Amino acid sequence: DQQVKQNSPSLSVQEGRISILNCDYTNSMFDYFLWYKKYPAEGPTFLISISSIKDKNEDGRFTVFLNKSAKHLSLHIVPSQPGDSAVYFCAASGQGNDMRFGAGTRLTVKP
Amino acid sequence: EAGVTQFPSHSVIEKGQTVTLRCDPISGHDNLYWYRRVMGKEIKFLLHFVKESKQDESGMPNNRFLAERTGGTYSTLKVQPAELEDSGVYFCASSQFLQETQYFGPGTRLLVL
Repeated sequence: DQQVKQNSPSLSVQEGRISILNCDYTNSMFDYFLWYKKYPAEGPTFLISISSIKDKNEDGRFTVFLNKSAKHLSLHIVPSQPGDSAVYFCAASGQGNDMRFGAGTRLTVKP
Repeated sequence: EAGVTQFPSHSVIEKGQTVTLRCDPISGHDNLYWYRRVMGKEIKFLLHFVKESKQDESGMPNNRFLAERTGGTYSTLKVQPAELEDSGVYFCASSQFLQETQYFGPGTRLLVL
């Protein structure tokens, strides 16, 4: 059962433009959501998170939006930079702190 | 502050052999998690320790996998005997007690031939 889904395996954007990565979840018990970035041959690196009591969290160029009624969250990167090219994983956790991950979206930012 | 470390970084073994992976969490982190990524797909949860106790091992695929965390510090994940489908990248993560954010190690790349 895939409780967290990232339906776009890849995304390509031009440097300076906005990157929007999407994530859907099915378990209504999830109350904390995270985005991780992963470079090849490295472990996932925490990027940004949001609690279910909020609908937006911003950190520099990165903003995460949460729509609880639609069970949907998105990560906005603006402006996108070539160094942002990586695989982005959406993750969700509930009371037990055990995270469930999406399959990842490979972002390519072209100079 | 040192991050999560994992050893070895790579392991190539034959089917039927035994492999033991080690994870050293960030000092002071009570929560320790094991995950696996197979065939470049999603990262799947294996199990969760709180200190030395197994909080949740619902993701362990079968009884060929054994995880321990004696003393509540580092953890080992043993695969015995290894099968071809066990190949993948095994990640360890840790977090502070009651904190949601988990910090990942670099992973161990396991290839079973």
